[in-house]
Amino acid sequence: GAVVSQHPSWVICKSGTSVKIECRSLDFQATTMFWYRQFPKQSLMLMATSNEGSKATYEQGVEKDKFLINHASLTLSTLTVTSAHPEDSSFYICSASPRTSGVVPDTQYFGPGTRLTVL
Amino acid sequence: KQEVTQIPAALSVPEGENLVLNCSFTDSAIYNLQWFRQDPGKGLTSLLLIQSSQREQTSGRLNASLDKSSGRSTLYIAASQPGDSATYLCARAGSNYKLTFGKGTLLTVNP
Repeated sequence: GAVVSQHPSWVICKSGTSVKIECRSLDFQATTMFWYRQFPKQSLMLMATSNEGSKATYEQGVEKDKFLINHASLTLSTLTVTSAHPEDSSFYICSASPRTSGVVPDTQYFGPGTRLTVL
Repeated sequence: KQEVTQIPAALSVPEGENLVLNCSFTDSAIYNLQWFRQDPGKGLTSLLLIQSSQREQTSGRLNASLDKSSGRSTLYIAASQPGDSATYLCARAGSNYKLTFGKGTLLTVNP
């Protein structure tokens, strides 16, 4: 149980185009989903926190107009990188916290990641 | 700024050896401390989660400890195997449940 999928697993795009990455919780409902970015040999850095039915909360330094997040249902969150540039090339990983009544969301299940390369 | 530091950055050991990976964090007001495994180009696999009220957690050959007062956690791997080769990440969760990750320790276990 507690499987999180991401699609696509890798994508190559031209500079200036937009790319959408999907994050799905396959066997549980996720009230909260998180989006991380990982550059080579660096830590995972939290980009934003996505709550179902409300606007995402972005971390300092992350452009909300460039990284559009939609959490339309309890099993799906999407990250759209708009007008992508080579410096946006990175490994994007999402995680999802199960919807459990009365329990704090201290468990995050991670997706397999999406490798984005912008030419 | 909350920071998580992992030492060493890389470690190479012969098969069968016991080893310790270190993690330190600057803010002792943590909610929990987690250890993950990441294989090359892959996502994260959760290994152990230690709540702030706990001192250690064990799973098979893995044992993780937490010392909030000193801001340190260790991951002990017993009888290492080549299949243990991966990057090990520690992450602290604050009261807002957000995870702050270290850069990881790249472990290579040689047959």
